[in-house]
Amino acid sequence: QKEVEQNSGPLSVPEGAIASLNCTYSDRGSQSFFWYRQYSGKSPELIMFIYSNGDKEDGRFTAQLNKASQYVSLLIRDSQPSDSATYLCAGGVGGKLIFGQGTELSVKP
Amino acid sequence: GAGVSQSPRYKVAKRGQDVALRCDPISGHVSLFWYQQALGQGPEFLTYFQNEAQLDKSGLPSDRFFAERPEGSVSTLKIQRTQQEDSAVYLCASSWTGGGGGGNQPQHFGDGTRLSIL
Repeated sequence: QKEVEQNSGPLSVPEGAIASLNCTYSDRGSQSFFWYRQYSGKSPELIMFIYSNGDKEDGRFTAQLNKASQYVSLLIRDSQPSDSATYLCAGGVGGKLIFGQGTELSVKP
Repeated sequence: GAGVSQSPRYKVAKRGQDVALRCDPISGHVSLFWYQQALGQGPEFLTYFQNEAQLDKSGLPSDRFFAERPEGSVSTLKIQRTQQEDSAVYLCASSWTGGGGGGNQPQHFGDGTRLSIL
C-alpha cells in the first residue's frame, strides 16, 4: 500500500461546478499536507498547504484535513477549463514529501 | 530569475554513460530536494540537503546515483553507468527549511530535466 493514495481519475466536471479531490495517507507522523497542480509536461505548482485539522480557504480553493481519519481533500469552486490538470497530494514526513500518484481533472466547457 | 533553475531541460544519453544534472535553488532557500518522476506517477523522493549537509539519501535507487551540494547552494545529481530504467523527469525543489520533526515548509519546484536513456 502506498503511503499516500489518490484516485487516478480522470475526474470530469462541467464548467462552474465544484471539483472534489481526495487523498488518504497512512503515516500518522505526517504533519503537513500539500496540494500541487501539474499541467502536462510542466513541473508541479503549489496550490495549497495545510497543517491543522479543519478547512483552509484561498480564493476558489479549499483544503480540508482530518488527521483522525487520515484524510485530505481539495475543493475547487467554480471550476474553469484552465483548472484541467493533474492534482498531486503530498504529505510531509521528516524533511521530504511523499506524493500520491495524482488525480487527473478535466473541466468541460 | 526568482525560481528554481534546472539544467539541462532535456538530456539524451546512451546506456552506460554518466550524466550530471544541475539545480540552482531559490536564493536564500536552505533546503534542496531531488525527486524522480516517471510518466503518469507522482514524484518520488531521492535525496535532501540542508545547506551542504545531505540529511537523507534513502530514496536514491542504487549506488550509481550520487548528489552533492558542496557550498550549500547549487546541487548536482550524478548518475553513473546509466540504465534504461533511469529514464524519467528529475525534479529539484527548494524550501526555506526542511521542517525536520515539525511541519514541512512548502517546496517550490524547478521545470525538471527530462532524461532519456537509449
